[in-house]
Amino acid sequence: NAGVTQTPKFRILKIGQSMTLQCTQDMNHNYMYWYRQDPGMGLKLIYYSVGAGITDKGEVPNGYNVSRSTTEDFPLRLELAAPSQTSVYFCASSLTGAYSNQPQHFGDGTRLSIL
Amino acid sequence: TQLLEQSPQFLSIQEGENLTVYCNSSSVFSSLQWYRQEPGEGPVLLVTVVTGGEVKKLKRLTFQFGDARKDSSLHITAAQPGDTGLYLCAGGAGNMLTFGGGTRLMVKP
Repeated sequence: NAGVTQTPKFRILKIGQSMTLQCTQDMNHNYMYWYRQDPGMGLKLIYYSVGAGITDKGEVPNGYNVSRSTTEDFPLRLELAAPSQTSVYFCASSLTGAYSNQPQHFGDGTRLSIL
Repeated sequence: TQLLEQSPQFLSIQEGENLTVYCNSSSVFSSLQWYRQEPGEGPVLLVTVVTGGEVKKLKRLTFQFGDARKDSSLHITAAQPGDTGLYLCAGGAGNMLTFGGGTRLMVKP
């Protein structure tokens, strides 16, 4: 099984450019999440989704947008890239939410630099 | 906002030594998960603890959930170079996990 697949793996953007980070999962998981991880730090939740058509903000949503049109895909969009958004972005999925103690399955990340 | 603090942030030890990593919060969590992350990869779940006072063992790793479900510890016995990585604790509440800042472990041969 492929699990959680993120594309691209690396990207360099100029300030003010926009881009979409792609995330797809093949485990039929209802819940999907986007995190950012700054160097040497833990993960901060940007947005999450409990199912197709439903999204909600996490801890650090400013500057980002998401959509969930299908169970499999959960793209993250940066509209006006800023240097503060330089980070490693991880997508994750789980069958149900944290309340049910289900593990989250992570992709290998997208390393984004904004110059 | 629920916060999880991990200590120490960095740990460099020799092969064969024992170590303990701590994860503390002022909030109560329904569960506590421990993940391990290697460079260039996403975190991978090691264990989930649910009940206050629960102890789980995974080979040389021992995980404990505090009685009040606010803290947890990870103890590694006889560390090996293969244990090197970033260890993350994550507290479960509602739909989301709150991650600690991580403990970066380096085990030297």
